[in-house]
Amino acid sequence: DSGVTQTPKHLITATGQRVTLRCSPRSGDLSVYWYQQSLDQGLQFLIQYYNGEERAKGNILERFSAQQFPDLHSELNLSSLELGDSALYFCASSTGTGYYNEQFFGPGTRLTVL
Amino acid sequence: DQQVKQNSPSLSVQEGRISILNCDYTNSMFDYFLWYKKYPAEGPTFLISISSIKDKNEDGRFTVFLNKSAKHLSLHIVPSQPGDSAVYFCAASADYGGSQGNLIFGKGTKLSVKP
Repeated sequence: DSGVTQTPKHLITATGQRVTLRCSPRSGDLSVYWYQQSLDQGLQFLIQYYNGEERAKGNILERFSAQQFPDLHSELNLSSLELGDSALYFCASSTGTGYYNEQFFGPGTRLTVL
Repeated sequence: DQQVKQNSPSLSVQEGRISILNCDYTNSMFDYFLWYKKYPAEGPTFLISISSIKDKNEDGRFTVFLNKSAKHLSLHIVPSQPGDSAVYFCAASADYGGSQGNLIFGKGTKLSVKP
């Protein structure tokens, strides 16, 4: 158990809909990262937050957005969903801003868009 | 354009023998490398890391070797155990001003250790 929690574990929805994925980092970790793992793909970095502020952006679509709240939990919002958004979404946390810090991953949320 | 490549999608090894997983990278800015292990239905778990100032890091049965000139790293597992059967991801990071820590992952290598 990494100490990072993600809810829900599974999510099934239809195209055009909007969903919210939630992540609670390990106690004391200030950085939260979101990654997407599609079929046959490695983990693709989406976005990083550190203590409530956006720190880095990767290949995140404009239809996706995220935020980190004062209690340090984070939410990833996916809107106007398309079939290709079906993937595993992982959240990770680390103590500092990340560089040279080990990232601890949650169990992931499996999103299926029908 | 993949910056971190794991060219072997799978590897099968006999229990007790050595497992060698390989990883190549193209971005010369990368200076911190990590290996993660992933079991089905779980998130990746950190295994071992190495910074570019070293060429070897060892932790128990796991050793990572870094060849900067070849932009190549490898993970050695000795001796391999059936419980090591998992997908192994190579990841890299660069210090873009100290405020970012996102990892660039390879696509993974599925290791099967046979009893």
